Amino acid sequence: QVQLVESGGGVVQPGRSLTLSCAASGFIFSSYSMHWVRQAPGKGLEWVALISYHGSQKRYGDSVKGRFTISRDNSKNTIFLQMNSLRAEDTAVYFCARDDYSAGWKYYFDQWGQGTLVTVSS
Amino acid sequence: QSALTQPASVPGSPGQSITISCTGTSSDVGGHNSVSWYQQHAGKAPKLMIYEVSNRPSGVSSRFSGSKSGNTASLTISGLQADDEADYHCSSYTSSGSLVFGTGTKVTVL
Repeated sequence: QVQLVESGGGVVQPGRSLTLSCAASGFIFSSYSMHWVRQAPGKGLEWVALISYHGSQKRYGDSVKGRFTISRDNSKNTIFLQMNSLRAEDTAVYFCARDDYSAGWKYYFDQWGQGTLVTVSS
Repeated sequence: QSALTQPASVPGSPGQSITISCTGTSSDVGGHNSVSWYQQHAGKAPKLMIYEVSNRPSGVSSRFSGSKSGNTASLTISGLQADDEADYHCSSYTSSGSLVFGTGTKVTVL
């Protein structure tokens, strides 16, 4: 069965960096575009970033553009989110999610991980 | 990009039908047939319930249906059940090539 497992969350000071990982299994990883979505405590969902199935196309939400970088390693069935210059407002549970449309992307997500909590605090 | 507007809470009794609205602009909801809906139980990951306005993924109950009129999309849950108590989030593709989510709605089964 499809599994997405995030890791790398934790407590980090403002201005520092952190890298999240999402390990995928149970499907042909290299055929699917992947996303990061976050949810601040008690708040709604916020789309963070997209990486195409081949890794050459990347898009970001306005609030993270220029600070976060999404990448993937298809040989390891893993995507990453490098987060720099972290702010208190980046505190959230970060989910990785699979785009439902293989060999492309349509911005709806049929598989989600359980999330990893990032807390930005001094 | 501002979040799409959803009511904070919608209550309903078992067996009743409820509708959750999701209001955006002509640059997102009104301009694209790319509205999705997710159900999220407390402490869990979201689950896709509706995609492309009105399509249900396999395995999702036919009690869930989606529609759109102008800049407002709607999710209707018919025959409300206790397990439907959850948060519901809408999302839409935007003309700037990104995705915007709604503010989220808590459905309470009385």
